[in-house]
Amino acid sequence: DAGVIQSPRHEVTEMGQEVTLRCKPISGHDYLFWYRQTMMRGLELLIYFNNNVPIDDSGMPEDRFSAKMPNASFSTLKIQPSEPRDSAVYFCASSPQPGQGSEQFFGPGTRLTVL
Amino acid sequence: GQNIDQPTEMTATEGAIVQINCTYQTSGFNGLFWYQQHAGEAPTFLSYNVLDGLEEKGRFSSFLSRSKGYSYLLLKELQMKDSASYLCAVRDPQGGYQKVTFGTGTKLQVIP
Repeated sequence: DAGVIQSPRHEVTEMGQEVTLRCKPISGHDYLFWYRQTMMRGLELLIYFNNNVPIDDSGMPEDRFSAKMPNASFSTLKIQPSEPRDSAVYFCASSPQPGQGSEQFFGPGTRLTVL
Repeated sequence: GQNIDQPTEMTATEGAIVQINCTYQTSGFNGLFWYQQHAGEAPTFLSYNVLDGLEEKGRFSSFLSRSKGYSYLLLKELQMKDSASYLCAVRDPQGGYQKVTFGTGTKLQVIP
């Protein structure tokens, strides 16, 4: 398996623009997570899905952020409009059904810079 | 709520042993993870503890005391490649079985 795939790897945009981040989880994993990582706040969970259904979106900062999972192999995180404080590394992770450990497998991340 | 504390930075010598501590205060507990993250890369899984005691995996060991809300990661025979951030993470059944909260991480520098 290729692991979790994210695109783009780097994104530079101007304030006010729409940004869409994409993720393909590991095949067969039922859980998908979106995280944001900054130096100040560390790794924060934004939202997670189980079988394509959003389970907990309490970490989504505000209405400018939205996430979808139209099928088991694809998810998007959208920021509209983007602001400089959204600059961070965004990770997507996936996990199989709960069991021993059930560690999360992380994608390489998207480094977002909002000017 | 969730509160996870780790030292921000540590330095250790190649070949030595280092212990990275993690204390947590969470509304619920259903397991503790340690992840390693090299600069510019994604976190990767190291260990998982759900019962009290020591779990050993090669040069790395992880310990858990649920009554004390305390865990540590022990790295033996340190190598230069062990220079990375180490993230402690707690799984809390509230909010769903898979919800994991991460600490801010401990940046370990291994020096010759």
